[in-house]
Amino acid sequence: EIVLTQSPGTLSLSPGERATLSCRASQSVSSSYLAWYQQKPGQAPRLLMYGASNRATGIPDRFSGSGSGTDFTLTISRLEPEDFAVYYCQQYGSSLLTFGGGTKVEIK
Amino acid sequence: QVQLQESGPGLVKPSETLSLTCTVSGGSISSYYWTWIRQSPGKGLEWIGYIYYSGSTNYNPSLKSRVTISVDTSKNQFSLNLNSVTAADTAVYYCARSTGDWFDPWGQGTLVTVSS
Repeated sequence: EIVLTQSPGTLSLSPGERATLSCRASQSVSSSYLAWYQQKPGQAPRLLMYGASNRATGIPDRFSGSGSGTDFTLTISRLEPEDFAVYYCQQYGSSLLTFGGGTKVEIK
Repeated sequence: QVQLQESGPGLVKPSETLSLTCTVSGGSISSYYWTWIRQSPGKGLEWIGYIYYSGSTNYNPSLKSRVTISVDTSKNQFSLNLNSVTAADTAVYYCARSTGDWFDPWGQGTLVTVSS
């Protein structure tokens, strides 16, 4: 099983600031098979990124993803009020699909 | 656009079977993989398994002995059965469409509580 560890657990930032979220895998994720999701309270997760760096349909370009192997990053260039939420990474490089524990981006 | 909606009992007794159905609208179920995921405070997001429209399945090994996912293409629905439930199975259960890789879109989720 590939274990995904996200850090930090909570990120306290102000609107307009840059957010950098980390997702580290316990073993290499083949072909950068990593996705990112955003979840707001009371809602289902929403796909943001797939293939580590490809934005899903309708996702604004202030969201970007990077990384390979065991280290991946989600960056939000300038936080908008609607971006304060919990973010999860998910790998699909193995037959057992797993999620990270999440990073909460909160308003400072 | 495709939308998914979970339905089923919100309360299940310990040792009984949890049964949920996901209805797909706005598109045909006869392609893609159709997935169940759950979210609990203690374990976060956990992939349960998926079924291809043709009927082939892939389950999380930790749940495989208790899980069955089935599909009814005539009703554009797929279902989850989880037997011998305990309090640890209390969670919000989501259905989602998948390419076999990532999940998009998701249903709104339904809370299932296991309690006598």
